[in-house]
Amino acid sequence: DTAVSQTPKYLVTQMGNDKSIKCEQNLGHDTMYWYKQDSKKFLKIMFSYNNKELIINETVPNRFSPKSPDKAHLNLHINSLELGDSAVYFCASSSGRHLTEAFFGQGTRLTVV
Amino acid sequence: AQSVSQHNHHVILSEAASLELGCNYSYGGTVNLFWYVQYPGQHLQLLLKYFSGDPLVKGIKGFEAEFIKSKFSFNLRKPSVQWSDTAEYFCAVNARAGTASKLTFGTGTRLQVTL
Repeated sequence: DTAVSQTPKYLVTQMGNDKSIKCEQNLGHDTMYWYKQDSKKFLKIMFSYNNKELIINETVPNRFSPKSPDKAHLNLHINSLELGDSAVYFCASSSGRHLTEAFFGQGTRLTVV
Repeated sequence: AQSVSQHNHHVILSEAASLELGCNYSYGGTVNLFWYVQYPGQHLQLLLKYFSGDPLVKGIKGFEAEFIKSKFSFNLRKPSVQWSDTAEYFCAVNARAGTASKLTFGTGTRLQVTL
C-alpha cells in the first residue's frame, strides 16, 4: 500500500491552463506539505496544512491554491500556468506540526509548454 | 532564517570507495537533522535522522552521519559504496517556522558510483 500517493504522476499542459494535483496519505498523519523541486533538484516548501488548517504559506504566487478537504488529503490547484511552473511537485506528510519525519509521495512532474 | 549548505554538488566514486558528503546548517535554535536519498526518477526516502543523544547516527543501507554541534555540521558517510548507491542525496534541517516546523533542504549532492 502506498503511504503517500499523488496523481497524476506526469502532467503536460499548455501555458494559461488551470490544473490540479491530488495527494492522499494513509499514514494517519495530521500534517501535509507541498514541495517544489526545480530543474536543479532544489527542494523548497510551498505550503503546509495541519488538520485542514494552513500553517505554512511560503512566498508562492497566488495562482497556487492548496486545499485540504480533510487531514488525509491535500490538493494543489494552479491557475494560469506559466513556463516557470514546470517542476516536480512533491506531497509529504508527517505527524504533528513539528515534524519528526516527513514521508514523501512519488512526485508529479509538471511540464508547461 | 535557517539554511543548509551542501558543498559537494557532484561526486563520482568507484565501487568500494568510501564516501563522505558534507552538510552544514545555519540555525541558532534546536534542530532536527535528516539525510534523504532520491534514486533516479523516484521520491525521497529517509536515510537517517538525528534528534538528540548519540551524535553518531546509523541509518539504512550502511549509511551513518555525525552531528558536530560546534561546526554546525551533519556529514553523511559510508565506508564502501555500491553501484546501487547512485542517487541524489539531500541534507535537511527541521526548524521552527512560527507555530509549525518545516524541512529546509540543501541543494543536494549527486553521487555517481562507477563499476
